[in-house]
Amino acid sequence: GAVVSQHPSRVICKSGTSVKIECRSLDFQATTMFWYRQFPKQSLMLMATSNEGSKATYEQGVEKDKFLINHASLTLSTLTVTSAHPEDSSFYICSAWTSVYEQYFGPGTRLTVT
Amino acid sequence: AQSVAQPEDQVNVAEGNPLTVKCTYSVSGNPYLFWYVQYPNRGLQFLLKYITGDNLVKGSYGFEAEFNKSQTSFHLKKPSALVSDSALYFCAVRDMLGSARQLTFGSGTQLTVLP
Repeated sequence: GAVVSQHPSRVICKSGTSVKIECRSLDFQATTMFWYRQFPKQSLMLMATSNEGSKATYEQGVEKDKFLINHASLTLSTLTVTSAHPEDSSFYICSAWTSVYEQYFGPGTRLTVT
Repeated sequence: AQSVAQPEDQVNVAEGNPLTVKCTYSVSGNPYLFWYVQYPNRGLQFLLKYITGDNLVKGSYGFEAEFNKSQTSFHLKKPSALVSDSALYFCAVRDMLGSARQLTFGSGTQLTVLP
């Protein structure tokens, strides 16, 4: 099946610093990728839709200046958490559709802000 | 708008017994339905999907799900549970008529298979 990778898998950063998370589609091209946030034992919350070559579409309540998304190629989308705070600590997951019917998810990135 | 409900936060079953994880949905048009499984600190793994055709869908690891249009349900089932099936399970829906391409997820059901 299709593979979506994320890097890093875990990151610890200090409050006030910025962190970049990469999401790559390894064996297919993805014009659209999605970024989710998940709190422990909870469902996935869609943060934004990343569109190759254009601006991302953010869900209501998500600060676009804080969560910067760049989709520079058909295989790479990045999420940058700027000026991170402890409340940004979470599990971040990206995904992409390989076709109309199949969406694959990355393994997730655990962000801890100290 | 599309929505998914998983009425049980937790399901416990003894190893070897059949298991069912419930899911109901609401969409404007015809649904695309999915089940995913998540192990601790991991992303979601695809189990199975219903797009059209046979109401009984077979997926990975011996799981299956039955699409019931009249009850708007898509329950996940397995005839004989394994301890290794213990994980968090998510049902998801996408409306075929909608312009949105994202999935809407249920709240998740934690399955625990007891040895």
